[in-house]
Amino acid sequence: GQNIDQPTEMTATEGAIVQINCTYQTSGFNGLFWYQQHAGEAPTFLSYNVLDGLEEKGRFSSFLSRSKGYSYLLLKELQMKDSASYLCAGMDTGRRALTFGSGTRLQVQP
Amino acid sequence: GAGVSQTPSNKVTEKGKYVELRCDPISGHTALYWYRQSLGQGPEFLIYFQGTGAADDSGLPNDRFFAVRPEGSVSTLKIQRTERGDSAVYLCASSPDGLAGFGEQYFGPGTRLTVT
Repeated sequence: GQNIDQPTEMTATEGAIVQINCTYQTSGFNGLFWYQQHAGEAPTFLSYNVLDGLEEKGRFSSFLSRSKGYSYLLLKELQMKDSASYLCAGMDTGRRALTFGSGTRLQVQP
Repeated sequence: GAGVSQTPSNKVTEKGKYVELRCDPISGHTALYWYRQSLGQGPEFLIYFQGTGAADDSGLPNDRFFAVRPEGSVSTLKIQRTERGDSAVYLCASSPDGLAGFGEQYFGPGTRLTVT
């Protein structure tokens, strides 16, 4: 099984950069996912890391260190529409189920 | 193309009643997942189908919960003798992967179940 930890809330300013951290403990590892969820809506996929390093996709980047059980999501040039919950999720070896953290609620302020 | 759809969007039922929640995955997606999400929490895995068979049902909380996918497309989550603790948003997701490799999971809008 997995244990996923991430901060509950964060606040940042429009146009700035924010980093949302996630730590995980697992008996086996098959990838780390980040999802965005606006209030009352379905989660939408942002990124997937299975190897160490940084994956960049536009304004969003995700980093993974398997030896440290650590990942972060980096959001650049923040926009008001980025106010949402960001969910970190792990996948165990040999499984397809995702184990989600409780999510980090990001509030972007003008 | 059409995304994952779920019906009903809202369901209010009395304690002890039986409910069925329906999921229509993205056409051609072989994998289908059910999760449930309580307020302020991340989604919690319930069951995963690969085609018609339940490949992993380790997340079902007890034998009141059951899910089927008889033709490998639409799935129904069934809850018997509902309890107030079953109140949550039930999310369905699908992905195009087969048995090898990961597939990004596409989530539906969810069914909000309220047990009174």
